[in-house]
Amino acid sequence: DAGVTQSPTHLIKTRGQQVTLRCSPKSGHDTVSWYQQALGQGPQFIFQYYEEEERQRGNFPDRFSGHQFPNYSSELNVNALLLGDSALYLCASRSMNYGYTFGSGTRLTVV
Amino acid sequence: EDQVTQSPEALRLQEGESSSLNCSYTVSGLRGLFWYRQDPGKGPEFLFTLYSAGEEKEKERLKATLTKKESFLHITAPKPEDSATYLCASYNYGGSQGNLIFGKGTKLSVKP
Repeated sequence: DAGVTQSPTHLIKTRGQQVTLRCSPKSGHDTVSWYQQALGQGPQFIFQYYEEEERQRGNFPDRFSGHQFPNYSSELNVNALLLGDSALYLCASRSMNYGYTFGSGTRLTVV
Repeated sequence: EDQVTQSPEALRLQEGESSSLNCSYTVSGLRGLFWYRQDPGKGPEFLFTLYSAGEEKEKERLKATLTKKESFLHITAPKPEDSATYLCASYNYGGSQGNLIFGKGTKLSVKP
């Protein structure tokens, strides 16, 4: 049984560009959350999607947006990239029993 | 404001030297306290969920406990392969409901 799958694993972008990260949740999971983890820090909540709608949002600007598809997969989009957006982006999925499973993440470097 | 604080930030142990990691939380209403292990460049790997004060869970050399204000991760006779960053996170009722609030983690190094 595949866990949470994220793509790509690594990405290098230039300031001002836009990026899209992708996540396929664990089988049986219908809720997807995205987290940003800066070096040496704990993950910070970005937003959560359920039934194709954003249900909760953390303290992130609207440059960060997302989408959930009918098959429960999700995308995270970041516009107008800043150097400070460099981080490990983690996707987590869960089912109703709220056990979270994390993917391996996408390492984004903004230069 | 809901907050999770972990200590120490870093811990260096000799193989076989037991110790404990601390996670204190200030949240509006705790639904669950999670412990994760994270290896460099990887996503967090689930270890335990604790739901109520007094609860304990064990897995191999690890035991997690929960009180009304903090949780401990006890490591008994650690091995070098236990070296990793250990994260705790709260899952709460109230304003932050629906997401995990993480501490900054404790980086554990176990030397042979």
